[in-house]
Amino acid sequence: NAGVTQTPKFQVLKTGQSMTLQCAQDMNHEYMSWYRQDPGMGLRLIHYSVGAGITDQGEVPNGYNVSRSTTEDFPLRLLSAAPSQTSVYFCASSYSTPVGEQYFGPGTRLTVT
Amino acid sequence: GNSVTQMEGPVTLSEEAFLTINCTYTATGYPSLFWYVQYPGEGLQLLLKATKADDKGSNKGFEATYRKETTSFHLEKGSGQVSDSAVYFCALSARNTGGFKTIFGAGTRLFVKA
Repeated sequence: NAGVTQTPKFQVLKTGQSMTLQCAQDMNHEYMSWYRQDPGMGLRLIHYSVGAGITDQGEVPNGYNVSRSTTEDFPLRLLSAAPSQTSVYFCASSYSTPVGEQYFGPGTRLTVT
Repeated sequence: GNSVTQMEGPVTLSEEAFLTINCTYTATGYPSLFWYVQYPGEGLQLLLKATKADDKGSNKGFEATYRKETTSFHLEKGSGQVSDSAVYFCALSARNTGGFKTIFGAGTRLFVKA
């Protein structure tokens, strides 16, 4: 199993550009989520999904969109990038509700200039 | 609301010294508690977990006991190694409005010197 994969690993955007961060998992997990990691702030939940076709907002959803058309994929879209979105983004998945262990991807380091 | 508080880092220890990273939490109900570790350039990976009061999670020489009376889940290791240098995150998972959510602490960076 590849586990949780994320692409790209690094990305530089200009303010106002849009892009999609890809996330895929091959463990048949129902629950998937996106976090951003900023120095001194730990991980903050952006959006999550409890199954295909179901998504919900986390703690910091503004400026991001998600969709979950399949169990495997959970892309994160930045609609109009801003410097405040410079961060490291992690995708995670787990078997059921978040009571269980989460499996994390390797992360995407995004810089918005 | 639910929250997790960890000791601020960085924490620097000498090899073979006793290692402890404090974590306290605030939660309604009965959360599950976790410690995750992040090595440089990688994503987080589960180190250990405990799902009910007085449970002890353990892995790779690390231990943490779920203390409901003190709302704590401190991470300990009897003898630190240079390879333990990483960032450690305490986390809880509990029912919140809208379902279960996992909340992470800010992370504690640990350096173990040879």
